[in-house]
Amino acid sequence: AQSVTQPDIHITVSEGASLELRCNYSYGATPYLFWYVQSPGQGLQLLLKYFSGDTLVQGIKGFEAEFKRSQSSFNLRKPSVHWSDAAEYFCAVGRGGADGLTFGKGTHLIIQP
Amino acid sequence: DTAVSQTPKYLVTQMGNDKSIKCEQNLGHDTMYWYKQDSKKFLKIMFSYNNKELIINETVPNRFSPKSPDKAHLNLHINSLELGDSAVYFCASSPNMAGELFFGEGSRLTVL
Repeated sequence: AQSVTQPDIHITVSEGASLELRCNYSYGATPYLFWYVQSPGQGLQLLLKYFSGDTLVQGIKGFEAEFKRSQSSFNLRKPSVHWSDAAEYFCAVGRGGADGLTFGKGTHLIIQP
Repeated sequence: DTAVSQTPKYLVTQMGNDKSIKCEQNLGHDTMYWYKQDSKKFLKIMFSYNNKELIINETVPNRFSPKSPDKAHLNLHINSLELGDSAVYFCASSPNMAGELFFGEGSRLTVL
């Protein structure tokens, strides 16, 4: 069965500092991997996705993520966070189609001024 | 234009009532989903429909009944509401085999 682990429930980062959110997955085949962001009271917005090819993927809002097959990880990074980045971040895995995606439990990002 | 739209955005009701949430997508996608997000923000798939046909029903009580009148619409009807049904329900759609899900803004259901 597929699963996603986001080990950090909460992370606090100072504005302007760098950010890394961790994600580990378990999947029987080559996975499709995703990071979504959810602002309070909003739906989920796709930040970036990995299907194949270059293991470093660029997304919107200055985010990037690196797929490491040997570590079953897909960590999200941003070099300098802004107060508007405060939100809930979800890592997800799946092949899509009718099976949908399996989500991690999310990491709540808090930005300190 | 909103790609995936859900109505209502907020729903407050009493235990035992029946309620429906509607979802429409204008992306031309073949597959639509209902996800439930609990109070701890955990997202779990409930139903998946592919071109109006039910594909997944993930151990959801049969008080929940999805209906897809056409491939652009997927509604969720809930009978005999219970306190534990309080959650945010998200509709999503996906083009077949592409992986990416497009989400609506959610419908927050509160059962009193």
